Formats: sequence, C-alpha cells, structure tokens
Amino acid sequence: QSALTQPASMSGSPGQSITISCTGTSSDVGGYNYVSWYQQHQQHPGKAPKLVIYEVTNRPSGVSYRFSGSKSGNTASLTISGLQAEDEADYYCSSYTSSSTWVFGGGTKLTVL
Amino acid sequence: EVQLVESGGGLVQPGGSLRLSCAASGFTFSSNWMHWVRQAPGKGLVWVSRINSDGSTTNYADSVKGRFTISRDNAKNTLYLQMNSLRAEDTAVYYCARAYRGFDDWGQGTLVTVSS
Repeated sequence: QSALTQPASMSGSPGQSITISCTGTSSDVGGYNYVSWYQQHQQHPGKAPKLVIYEVTNRPSGVSYRFSGSKSGNTASLTISGLQAEDEADYYCSSYTSSSTWVFGGGTKLTVL
Repeated sequence: EVQLVESGGGLVQPGGSLRLSCAASGFTFSSNWMHWVRQAPGKGLVWVSRINSDGSTTNYADSVKGRFTISRDNAKNTLYLQMNSLRAEDTAVYYCARAYRGFDDWGQGTLVTVSS
C-alpha cells in the first residue's frame, strides 16, 4: 500500500494553467477508473478536504469548470486552468486498489504567485 | 445538507485504546459505504478503513489491520472506529467520509494524540 506519487509542490501565476500528476501502478491508478482528487485549503485540524474530481474525469456540481481530470496508463492528472488566488491549497489524488483498499497520494502544495 | 460530526478523540498513552464516533445526518446513512481517513500533523491524507452499507464488509490499511475495527449502527446513523494498541505513529486528525462517487463528504475531524 505505497502512497501514490505526486510532486511535493507546484506554483503558477494567476491566469495560467497547471497540471498535477499522480503516478501509481497497474494495481491502482492504471487498473481502475476510480481516481479522485481533493482540495484542502489549510492543512491543520479542522480543514476538511473537498472532492473536486471523481472517477478520473468527472466534476461534482458546484466545482468550477476550471478543474479537469485525465488519466494515461498508471498516471492520473489534475489540470487547473485560469489559476486564481483561491486555488492555492493542497491537492491529493486517491485511487481504489486491487487489494480492495484505497490509497492517497502524498499531496501537492499549490502556490499561486 | 450532509453533516458528519466526529468525536471521541483525545490524548491516550501508547498501548491504549480509544473509540471514535461519527454521527451522520442529511443523507440515507444506511445506503452508503463509509470510510475513515487520517492526517498526521503536517502530513498528507492516509486511508484507514472502510465499511459497506450493512456492515458486512470491512477493509483496512496494513498499518492498522489487527488493531483497528470499523463498525456502524445504522439505527443510530453512527460510524465507529475502535482503536487498540495505539502507537505514537497513530497520532493524527481522524476524518470520517461518506463514499458515493469518491469521498464526497467529510467531517471536520477529531484529533487523536498518542503520547506518554
């Protein structure tokens, strides 16, 4: 049950697009379309994560169209277009696994310059 | 509106036990898989355990298997996590989460500190 691999940090200027990668194996990301992404604005007790993408590409109602997801092989990606200051947060990917468990990525701290 | 409210966290000595609760409202609790996810201070999210809608199926992360037990009471709309043989590395905020499409809804978490 190794964590999925995400870049530790990324940054971008307002208006730009950024893509966060999430690399796993054929036993998790590559084997299932149950990859989801979460935004957590402050990483301290009490700040619950928010679902922004589910089943690789789907966006829950209420989530900005600027968020999109994709997958190729064992790597999933979250793209945020038209970066805004409010997008500054930690982002986590998650996947179902062949062991009937779930696994998260290590998280990516996104800074909007 | 979906509400998940965790309770039961606190300070416990290594080797001790604690039972967390998660009171659910605003949705049909008995129809959803439920999960526990934890986050150590300054660290990322880690999946802990899940239970199916009627409690007949449970799964655990290797790090807690044999020490933690997830359960639910659908009559009380409450999810539980019994934690035994606690270790310092179990120190974290524990979140309960409702699973529908992903982890759709989360509580605010309850802090568990394992220390002597």
